[in-house]
Amino acid sequence: NAGVTQTPKFQVLKTGQSMTLQCAQDMNHEYMSWYRQDPGMGLRLIHYSVGAGITDQGEVPNGYNVSRSTTEDFPLRLLSAAPSQTSVYFCASSYSMSFPYEQYFGPGTRLTVT
Amino acid sequence: DAKTTQPNSMESNEEEPVHLPCNHSTISGTDYIHWYRQLPSQGPEYVIHGLTSNVNNRMASLAIAEDRKSSTLILHRATLRDAAVYYCILRDRNMNNNAGNMLTFGGGTRLMVKP
Repeated sequence: NAGVTQTPKFQVLKTGQSMTLQCAQDMNHEYMSWYRQDPGMGLRLIHYSVGAGITDQGEVPNGYNVSRSTTEDFPLRLLSAAPSQTSVYFCASSYSMSFPYEQYFGPGTRLTVT
Repeated sequence: DAKTTQPNSMESNEEEPVHLPCNHSTISGTDYIHWYRQLPSQGPEYVIHGLTSNVNNRMASLAIAEDRKSSTLILHRATLRDAAVYYCILRDRNMNNNAGNMLTFGGGTRLMVKP
């Protein structure tokens, strides 16, 4: 299994541009989520999904959209990039939302918005 | 979720045991104690979790105080590869809604391992 994969690894955007961060998992996990990590800080939840067709907001959802059309994929869309969205983005998946299944994280996408 | 308190950083020598403390004085009876770690430039990875009894797995041991207000992650022989930020996280087993699978990350403890 490849686990959780994310593309791209690095991205530079100009303010106002849009882009999609890709996330895929091959473990048939129901639960997928997106976090952002700012320098020297812990991770904060952006959006999550408990299955195909179902998404919900996390702690910091503003400026981001998600959709879940398949079990495997959970893309994160930045609608109009802002410098405040400069961060490292991690995608995670878990077998189920039922406790206490561990979460598996991808390697991250480092995004810089100028 | 109840709050946890961890030291900002710790140092260890290679091949020696490491004890990483976590205080969670407001823990509830249904909170599990989880540990994740984040190696440099990588995503977090699961280490171990427990409720009341001490737990062991291939990566580490988790020692939980009798009153559950603190716990200690034990790495039995630190290696250079164990240098990472270690996060202690509480998760309520009764959170049956969709948000129950969220992980709330604090600042963690940065472990430095000296050769």
